[in-house]
Amino acid sequence: ETGVTQTPRHLVMGMTNKKSLKCEQHLGHNAMYWYKQSAKKPLELMFVYNFKEQTENNSVPSRFSPECPNSSHLFLHLHTLQPEDSALYLCASSLRRGHPNGDIQYFGAGTRLSVL
Amino acid sequence: ELKVEQNPLFLSMQEGKNYTIYCNYSTTSDRLYWYRQDPGKSLESLFVLLSNGAVKQEGRLMASLDTKARLSTLHITAAVHDLSATYFCAVDRGGGATNKLIFGTGTLLAVQP
Repeated sequence: ETGVTQTPRHLVMGMTNKKSLKCEQHLGHNAMYWYKQSAKKPLELMFVYNFKEQTENNSVPSRFSPECPNSSHLFLHLHTLQPEDSALYLCASSLRRGHPNGDIQYFGAGTRLSVL
Repeated sequence: ELKVEQNPLFLSMQEGKNYTIYCNYSTTSDRLYWYRQDPGKSLESLFVLLSNGAVKQEGRLMASLDTKARLSTLHITAAVHDLSATYFCAVDRGGGATNKLIFGTGTLLAVQP
């Protein structure tokens, strides 16, 4: 257990569906991240939040909508996805960059998303 | 744009042998990370390297960093089956109060008995 929990673990959705991915961290971190892991491609950073404020949107299509109500919870709302959006979506959290206790990112186990 | 390249992409090795995974990156960074991922599981942090010449060791794994060459290596000594996993290096793009990691494609390591 890394202290970062993602639900659901698996999700199948049609292109017209709306669904949400959830991430929760119990580590007292202030930064949270969404990554996309596709087959045979490097992990891609999607969004970064610091103390609930979005600090990075890595040119992600608007059909992906993140939400960070507090430093412990992060959501990824999905709407009218495409089959090429099928991937493993990973959430991570960390302390701020350069924190004396370290700034390693801790990852959840991911949500395996299939878009039909 | 920061790019991170790992090689090899796939490594099949016998137990007891030594080998090295290489991670090259294209622009200056002050943080390099190594992660391990087992199938169906989350990424697990192995090492954080913060300065030129940094070397860290944990068990049969040793990581080093040469910031001038923009190169990090992960050396495996006397491999055992339990080390079979995918290994990723990641470089911090920097800027701001949070880490922005750019990952390599990963190296799938299969240790054969």
